[in-house]
Amino acid sequence: DVKVTQSSRYLVKRTGEKVFLECVQDMDHENMFWYRQDPGLGLRLIYFSYDVKMKEKGDIPEGYSVSREKKERFSLILESASTNQTSMYLCASSLRVYGMATEAFFGQGTRLTVV
Amino acid sequence: AQKITQTQPGMFVQEKEAVTLDCTYDTSDQSYGLFWYKQPSSGEMIFLIYQGSYDEQNATEGRYSLNFQKARKSANLVISASQLGDSAMYFCAMREGTILTGGGNKLTFGTGTQLKVEL
Repeated sequence: DVKVTQSSRYLVKRTGEKVFLECVQDMDHENMFWYRQDPGLGLRLIYFSYDVKMKEKGDIPEGYSVSREKKERFSLILESASTNQTSMYLCASSLRVYGMATEAFFGQGTRLTVV
Repeated sequence: AQKITQTQPGMFVQEKEAVTLDCTYDTSDQSYGLFWYKQPSSGEMIFLIYQGSYDEQNATEGRYSLNFQKARKSANLVISASQLGDSAMYFCAMREGTILTGGGNKLTFGTGTQLKVEL
């Protein structure tokens, strides 16, 4: 079974802190994604990566950065956390077949609260 | 413009009845894929079904089928014989393009439909 593991289930951080959310997948997937989920807004893509050291902005990248130094690990960084970044963060990974992403497998989510 | 539109924030269905969850999409790519996911109250995201833009047949997986109408740009999920365990949030998602066209890797989700199955 594919496993996508997020380092924390719940996090509480202070405004202005630098926050790291870590995600590891064990199935050698090329693609990895970070989404945030908010009620009524669905899943919104923050960043994704299709290879080591490669990244692309999603739909809401402002205030975030990412790092992918190893194929299995994709980190989301909140440079200076703000209260409007309080949300559920979901990491996902997928294979790439014939140049196209297949279905994504998700981690259990990190509920981040910024106070 | 929204890439994926799910116009039904909430739906109710009686147990054992069929239900259709709507999804429309917007893309100019000829090659794309459409996915449906289920998210129960536990929060996990469960992949249900996939339809490729070049697939001639509508996708089916057990009680799930995808009503794919390319000209209308719709990819509705049909759940037959609803069960109480089908109560969950359902998300439609799209992957556009291929690596040859500069795409192929981005997965965009809709806002979801909350389905409640009643006795």
